[in-house]
Amino acid sequence: DQQVKQNSPSLSVQEGRISILNCDYTNSMFDYFLWYKKYPAEGPTFLISISSIKDKNEDGRFTVFLNKSAKHLSLHIVPSQPGDSAVYFCAASFTGNQFYFGTGTSLTVIP
Amino acid sequence: DVKVTQSSRYLVKRTGEKVFLECVQDMDHENMFWYRQDPGLGLRLIYFSYDVKMKEKGDIPEGYSVSREKKERFSLILESASTNQTSMYLCASSLLQHSSYEQYFGPGTRLTVT
Repeated sequence: DQQVKQNSPSLSVQEGRISILNCDYTNSMFDYFLWYKKYPAEGPTFLISISSIKDKNEDGRFTVFLNKSAKHLSLHIVPSQPGDSAVYFCAASFTGNQFYFGTGTSLTVIP
Repeated sequence: DVKVTQSSRYLVKRTGEKVFLECVQDMDHENMFWYRQDPGLGLRLIYFSYDVKMKEKGDIPEGYSVSREKKERFSLILESASTNQTSMYLCASSLLQHSSYEQYFGPGTRLTVT
C-alpha cells in the first residue's frame, strides 16, 4: 500500500508563475521529508527537506510546507523557470534511513 | 562532490540469466540502497545496507539479493532474471548520522529482460 502519494501525475505552469506540487502521506510516524528532482536519464537529486518539528523550510526559490494534522506537504517554486521542468518526488521517513517515495509529479514550465 | 556510479547505463539480458548490477560511492557513506523505478509506482526500495556485510530487506526484495563486501560497493543480484524485472534500477548512498538524511543517487541502470 502506497504510504506516500502524489495525486497529480503532471503539472504545467507558465514561466514566472508559482508551481505548487503536493504530497500526502498516511503514516503519522513519519518525521522527516525530502523532495527530489529528476531529469530524464539521470538519478534523482536532492532539493529540499523538512523535519516534523517545522512547518516551513525555505531555500531560494523553493519552499516546502508541512501540515502534520492533514498529513500533507507541498513544494512551492517561485518564480518557476523552464529549467525546473522535471519529475519531482517527495519522500518520507521515520527512521532517517529508509524512505518511502511518492509516484512523482512531472512539472512542465512553459516559456 | 559525492559521486555514485553504476556499472552500466543500459543492460539487456535474457530470461533466466544471472544479472549483477554494481554500485560504487566515493564519500565513505555508511548507508547504501537499491531502488527500482517504474511508471506510476515511483521509487520502491529493494534492499539497503547500513554497513559492510549488513543488509536489510526493503519493500520488494523478492527475486533479488545483494552483497556488500566493501563499504564503497553495493551489488544487486538477480539470480534468475524475469521479464517483470525489466525496470530502471537506481543505487543511492547516505550518511548514517541524524544530521543529514539526504540520499545521493547514481544515474541509474535501464535493465531490459527479454
